Amino acid sequence: QKEVEQNSGPLSVPEGAIASLNCTYSDRGSQSFFWYRQYSGKSPELIMSIYSNGDKEDGRFTAQLNKASQYVSLLIRDSQPSDSATYLCAVSSGGSYIPTFGRGTSLIVHP
Amino acid sequence: NAGVTQTPKFRILKIGQSMTLQCTQDMNHNYMYWYRQDPGMGLKLIYYSVGAGITDKGEVPNGYNVSRSTTEDFPLRLELAAPSQTSVYFCASSTAGVGANEKLFFGSGTQLSVL
Repeated sequence: QKEVEQNSGPLSVPEGAIASLNCTYSDRGSQSFFWYRQYSGKSPELIMSIYSNGDKEDGRFTAQLNKASQYVSLLIRDSQPSDSATYLCAVSSGGSYIPTFGRGTSLIVHP
Repeated sequence: NAGVTQTPKFRILKIGQSMTLQCTQDMNHNYMYWYRQDPGMGLKLIYYSVGAGITDKGEVPNGYNVSRSTTEDFPLRLELAAPSQTSVYFCASSTAGVGANEKLFFGSGTQLSVL
């Protein structure tokens, strides 16, 4: 069974700090990695996808992938209260297009 | 551009009743999915479809059925509702297979309570 593990949190950071969210996965055949943000009572929305080892930056967000360690992370720089949400890590095997989701990490950014 | 539309938004069922959750997308996506989300948990895949006429079971299919007669529609049927089916249900469609980047588009969800 493919598993995606996340610390449920909550992770609490002050406004302006860097938030670091982590995710590990069990399937070594995984090829596609995603971070979805879900506000309370809302549906998930994609914020980052990464397919190759290393870092991928998009604005204040950086996704980091290490396939050898089966580890993917999301860094949020200059965290804002509006970043407070649950962040879901999702992983899919090459060509399957069927993502497996982790349980999510709750992030709280306090002023 | 409506995206993925789910109905109803809320529903209360009695044990043993049946119902259909409707899902339609207007983006011509081949891949569609049904997930459930229990409090504090991630998304669990119920069923998915890779195109009209093709469906397959996900991680938690028991107690559910699906059909995919058109590209646009992917209804989820609950037969003999049980309290364990109390959850939030999300329908999604995907850009899978179109270009290099996969992305799931989610509907707004259905809050279902079985009492």
